[in-house]
Amino acid sequence: EPEVTQTPSHQVTQMGQEVILRCVPISNHLYFYWYRQILGQKVEFLVSFYNNEISEKSEIFDDQFSVERPDGSNFTLKIRSTKLEDSAMYFCASSPLIRGYTFGSGTRLTVV
Amino acid sequence: GESVGLHLPTLSVQEGDNSIINCAYSNSASDYFIWYKQESGKGPQFIIDIRSNMDKRQGQRVTVLLNKTVKHLSLQIAATQPGDSAVYFCAEATGGNAGNMLTFGGGTRLMVKP
Repeated sequence: EPEVTQTPSHQVTQMGQEVILRCVPISNHLYFYWYRQILGQKVEFLVSFYNNEISEKSEIFDDQFSVERPDGSNFTLKIRSTKLEDSAMYFCASSPLIRGYTFGSGTRLTVV
Repeated sequence: GESVGLHLPTLSVQEGDNSIINCAYSNSASDYFIWYKQESGKGPQFIIDIRSNMDKRQGQRVTVLLNKTVKHLSLQIAATQPGDSAVYFCAEATGGNAGNMLTFGGGTRLMVKP
């Protein structure tokens, strides 16, 4: 069964550093998403991406965040200057349409 | 990846019993709903979905019921197995179009006793 692949599985970074979280969506999917889950809290939407541009973003997705599809297979989330409160699980997802939404296993980001 | 669940509702059932997990959603404009299962260290896994033009949909061992009048969604798992132990989230979306965000509920932890 096709999977959404995320790397790394765990990232530890110093406060103020830039991090890039990587995702390989399912190959025939057209829509890509980032969500996060702070420990003990709900899964929260960050951003959706289609046709090489952001289609929707939440209030969480401020200027410190950016997404990119640098080639035909990868989808990245960059946090420019990490804060302690950015520590969370970050999930990438992809879908052909809104049905068939598939999540990856996540990257645990720890900001110290 | 799961919620630690300090405040997570927990449903404990005996293996073989049926489980019912409930979810109240907030947006009356939501027209698409999904149930996800999340096991420790993994991302949300799709279980079953339903559109607002339906009130019931069945899958393998699972049934989703939608009551739009009271904005309530439930997931029924028949003959619950130890492998069903996980955190279950409902999610809602509006517009039914790709690219729309999902809004997740807080989750319910299901514990299956052998």
